[in-house]
Amino acid sequence: DIVMTQSPDSLAVSLGERATINCKSSQSVLYSSNNKNYLAWYQQKPGQPPKLLIYWASSRESGVPDRFSGSGSGTDFTLTISSLQAEDVAVYYCQQYYGVPHTFGQGTKLEIK
Amino acid sequence: QVQLQQSGPGLVKPSQTLSLTCAISGDSLSSNSAVWNWIRQSPSRGLEWLGRTYYRSKWCNDYAVSVKSRITINPDTSKNQFSLQLNSVTPEDTAVYYCARARRAPVGGGMDVWGQGTTVTVSS
Repeated sequence: DIVMTQSPDSLAVSLGERATINCKSSQSVLYSSNNKNYLAWYQQKPGQPPKLLIYWASSRESGVPDRFSGSGSGTDFTLTISSLQAEDVAVYYCQQYYGVPHTFGQGTKLEIK
Repeated sequence: QVQLQQSGPGLVKPSQTLSLTCAISGDSLSSNSAVWNWIRQSPSRGLEWLGRTYYRSKWCNDYAVSVKSRITINPDTSKNQFSLQLNSVTPEDTAVYYCARARRAPVGGGMDVWGQGTTVTVSS
């Protein structure tokens, strides 16, 4: 199985400041035939299912604010929130869909400082 | 707008079978650009992908090794829904269960539509 490791486990950021969450996979999730990274980011708020934010490591899902961005390739990835808003308080997960099983990171809890 | 509606019991006795259904609206179970998944979430295991079903000239399934001996995911094209059966449950199977649609390349990636979640407790 591909192991996904996120850092940090929790993060407190002031409103309007940048938040950065990292995700590392135990093996590359870059598929050479189409040059796509099979990596997604999700946001989950209490009592709700996860919400897809980013796919192919850097493609923003329709309707997701442009303050959310994804970057990275191979085994190292980053989710950045450029200017934290109060509604961004949530747990964030990365997930690889390169190989079965489609594994998730352990989550990063984002709070307001 | 694609929606997934989950149904099934919230309480299952140990050693019995957990059965959940996910009804699809706004998309086709047989779509070549979609894959239909079951995922669960618990404090001890986090988000855990359980398995998937999809149609590529024939019906295909993949399952997580952790549950492979106990799980069945069945498509039902007549009702445009798919189901999860997990046999011989124990308290460790207590979790919130989700169904979700995943998109295939080049249409997209990741799981973009999720069911509302079903809290399943395994207890006598």
